[in-house]
Amino acid sequence: DVKVTQSSRYLVKRTGEKVFLECVQDMDHENMFWYRQDPGLGLRLIYFSYDVKMKEKGDIPEGYSVSREKKERFSLILESASTNQTSMYLCASSTPTGKRGPPTQFFGPGTRLTVL
Amino acid sequence: EDQVTQSPEALRLQEGESSSLNCSYTVSGLRGLFWYRQDPGKGPEFLFTLYSAGEEKEKERLKATLTKKESFLHITAPKPEDSATYLCAVQGGLTGGGNKLTFGTGTQLKVEL
Repeated sequence: DVKVTQSSRYLVKRTGEKVFLECVQDMDHENMFWYRQDPGLGLRLIYFSYDVKMKEKGDIPEGYSVSREKKERFSLILESASTNQTSMYLCASSTPTGKRGPPTQFFGPGTRLTVL
Repeated sequence: EDQVTQSPEALRLQEGESSSLNCSYTVSGLRGLFWYRQDPGKGPEFLFTLYSAGEEKEKERLKATLTKKESFLHITAPKPEDSATYLCAVQGGLTGGGNKLTFGTGTQLKVEL
């Protein structure tokens, strides 16, 4: 069964702190994604990775960085957290386009981050 | 730029009252249209992928259809457990590396007894 896990369901941090959000998938997927979800704005792509040590900016990368040292793990880093980064963070993984059929993205349970 | 618009934003149904959710899209070369279900405080759960106009997929009380401009998610005789937010997303042909999805903002469905 498909499984994407995220390190925390809820997280509270203070402005200026460095924050790490971890995501692990057990499906041997090449692609991994970080989104944030805000009311009225839907899911917006922050960064994605299509291979180990590879990363590409999504639509809203400012204030974030990522790390992918192993295929199964993709980390989102907030170098200096700010209140406007309070949001629901969702990780997803998928096969590459064209490999084994539809490139469906499977999501983790999400991390609700509050920055005070 | 790919765009997805979902309507209505919110829908309240009585148990057994069938209805449809709409997803209108503009995309450069549709590779796939995806439907997800999301319960409050949880991650989206995959429902369907549609690839070409005329295609239909079914799962229990849900049926998804696709035209060249929109997709419908038909809910037949809904039950309270169908209450959730339903998200639509598209993957276009000009997405660069990976398989980036563009999401709509969702339809929040509530089914009452």
